[in-house]
Amino acid sequence: AQTVTQSQPEMSVQEAETVTLSCTYDTSESDYYLFWYKQPPSRQMILVIRQEAYKQQNATENRFSVNFQKAAKSFSLKISDSQLGDAAMYFCAYRSANTGNQFYFGTGTSLTVIP
Amino acid sequence: DAGVIQSPRHEVTEMGQEVTLRCKPISGHNSLFWYRQTMMRGLELLIYFNNNVPIDDSGMPEDRFSAKMPNASFSTLKIQPSEPRDSAVYFCASSWDGAYEQYFGPGTRLTVT
Repeated sequence: AQTVTQSQPEMSVQEAETVTLSCTYDTSESDYYLFWYKQPPSRQMILVIRQEAYKQQNATENRFSVNFQKAAKSFSLKISDSQLGDAAMYFCAYRSANTGNQFYFGTGTSLTVIP
Repeated sequence: DAGVIQSPRHEVTEMGQEVTLRCKPISGHNSLFWYRQTMMRGLELLIYFNNNVPIDDSGMPEDRFSAKMPNASFSTLKIQPSEPRDSAVYFCASSWDGAYEQYFGPGTRLTVT
């Protein structure tokens, strides 16, 4: 089974600053999708951003962008101009493009935004 | 469109009681997933269905847990008998074959005393 590793249990960032959350994964597949989900205190899981492995261009959604390094099997999330509402648990997830809809989640990184 | 609906949102029960959690996936979705989230173990996949058929239940902790999906619009996760260590947030998520991501419900917080 694929594994997803988030090595930073906790991170903090000053409001308006930039923070990068790390994620690595292990797979033998070449076609897959990667995701970052956000879980605020309300506990609702919210999709932040998605990256298709066949795309070389890094995905961007407003203040959120990724650094996808396929050879290194790395998928980091950069949050620019951090806001108080960004405080949440962030989960990295992997899904194969060819073997069903199952997701593999990392253990999460808790992000604190300091005013 | 309504998202994934879960009920109840909170459940408090005593050890030994039966607990039934319910999920209504997004209309048109054909995959449904049950997850359990705890501080110690993070987010764990318990079981997932595709076209109402259980595909992978290897994450179901033990025989006390069972899940059903009688039709495309409804699924249940049952715990009988419940134990304090079952206390967690249980999420249901749905997706469809042409989709990339999963869509999560708001979760059910279960407390077993």
